[in-house]
Amino acid sequence: DAGVIQSPRHEVTEMGQEVTLRCKPISGHNSLFWYRQTMMRGLELLIYFNNNVPIDDSGMPEDRFSAKMPNASFSTLKIQPSEPRDSAVYFCASSPLQGSKNIQYFGAGTRLSVL
Amino acid sequence: GENVEQHPSTLSVQEGDSAVIKCTYSDSASNYFPWYKQELGKGPQLIIDIRSNVGEKKDQRIAVTLNKTAKHFSLHITETQPEDSAVYFCAANYNAGNMLTFGGGTRLMVKP
Repeated sequence: DAGVIQSPRHEVTEMGQEVTLRCKPISGHNSLFWYRQTMMRGLELLIYFNNNVPIDDSGMPEDRFSAKMPNASFSTLKIQPSEPRDSAVYFCASSPLQGSKNIQYFGAGTRLSVL
Repeated sequence: GENVEQHPSTLSVQEGDSAVIKCTYSDSASNYFPWYKQELGKGPQLIIDIRSNVGEKKDQRIAVTLNKTAKHFSLHITETQPEDSAVYFCAANYNAGNMLTFGGGTRLMVKP
């Protein structure tokens, strides 16, 4: 398996523009997580899907952030409009949630720079 | 919610020495404690995990211990090698569920 695939790897945009980050989870995994990583705040959970349904979005910082999972093999995280403070590395992770295992497998991340 | 504290934030050791990273958590319902290693430019990778029904788990040069009473768990790396240099994160699941709360990370540097 190719693992969790995120695109793009790097995104540079100007303040006010819309940004869409994409994630393809590992086939067969039924849970998907979006995280944001910054030096100041570390690794923060933004939103968690189970079977394509958002379960907890309490970590989404503002209404400018939205996430969708239209099917089991694709998810997007959208920021509209983007601001310089959104600059961070965004990770997607998926998990099989089989038995008692909660193992999360992370993608390589998208480094976002908002100028 | 869950609060996970991790210490130290940076750790420098000589090749061959041991390294220990410690974490504490606040949610007494937490029952799953993974450790992740993150290399530069990559996503975190699971290296070892432990569930609350065991006190210790070992995998070659790495081991994890858990003290549920004190709500702390530790990562031990023996015979460190330069390739062990990375940022290490501990985590605990929130309310015995599927969401993880991560510690702030430890940057480990192994000097040859």
